[in-house]
Amino acid sequence: QQPVQSPQAVILREGEDAVINCSSSKALYSVHWYRQKHGEAPVFLMILLKGGEQKGHEKISASFNEKKQQSSLYLTASQLSYSGTYFCGTGAGSYQLTFGKGTKLSVIP
Amino acid sequence: KAGVTQTPRYLIKTRGQQVTLSCSPISGHRSVSWYQQTPGQGLQFLFEYFSETQRNKGNFPGRFSGRQFSNSRSEMNVSTLELGDSALYLCASSTQGSGEQYFGPGTRLTVT
Repeated sequence: QQPVQSPQAVILREGEDAVINCSSSKALYSVHWYRQKHGEAPVFLMILLKGGEQKGHEKISASFNEKKQQSSLYLTASQLSYSGTYFCGTGAGSYQLTFGKGTKLSVIP
Repeated sequence: KAGVTQTPRYLIKTRGQQVTLSCSPISGHRSVSWYQQTPGQGLQFLFEYFSETQRNKGNFPGRFSGRQFSNSRSEMNVSTLELGDSALYLCASSTQGSGEQYFGPGTRLTVT
C-alpha cells in the first residue's frame, strides 16, 4: 500500500517554513525521505527508524509517530535550493521501500 | 567514490521487443534495488538484490526480471515491451538494503 503524502504541492517564499506529511495504513519499521530535483536522481535526506533512531542531514528535521504510522518532514527557513519533489518511502521490515507520489515544493524569491 | 552508474541513459524500443538495463553500484555496496518512475504512479519498487539473491519483488508482471552478478553489478530485463513500460528506470545501491539508498541517474526508456 502506497503511503499518502500531503500536500501534493506547495509554494513558499524564501525564508518561510513548510511541513510535508507522510501517512501509511501499514505498520512501519522505517520512514525514508528523499528529494528529487527536475531531471536528477532522488537524493537521500533522512531515515527514521522504529524506536527513535534517526540518520540524516543536520539541516533537515523530521518526526516519526509509530502509533499513527505517520511521519512529517520539517523544512525551516527555506532556500531556493530546497525546491524539488520530496518523496517519503516506507519500510515494513523487508528490503523494500514503498514510495508516496511525492510533494512538489517550489521556493520563490 | 564514484556514484551509481546506469547504462544506457536513453533507449527507444518498439512494442514486443525486449530490453536489458545495467546498473553498477557504489563500490562496496552489495544491495541493488530497481524502481520504475512514471508521472502518474511515482516511484514503484521492482526488485532488490543482495549478494546475487533476489530478496524482494514488487508487484510487476513476470516480464520484468533481474539478476545480480558477483561484483554486485545488476541488470534488469523487460521482455515483450508494452507502451506502458515507458518510464524512467532507476537503480539504487546501499550497503545492506535497509538503509540509505544512493540512486543512479536512471535509464529513460521509450516504447513506441
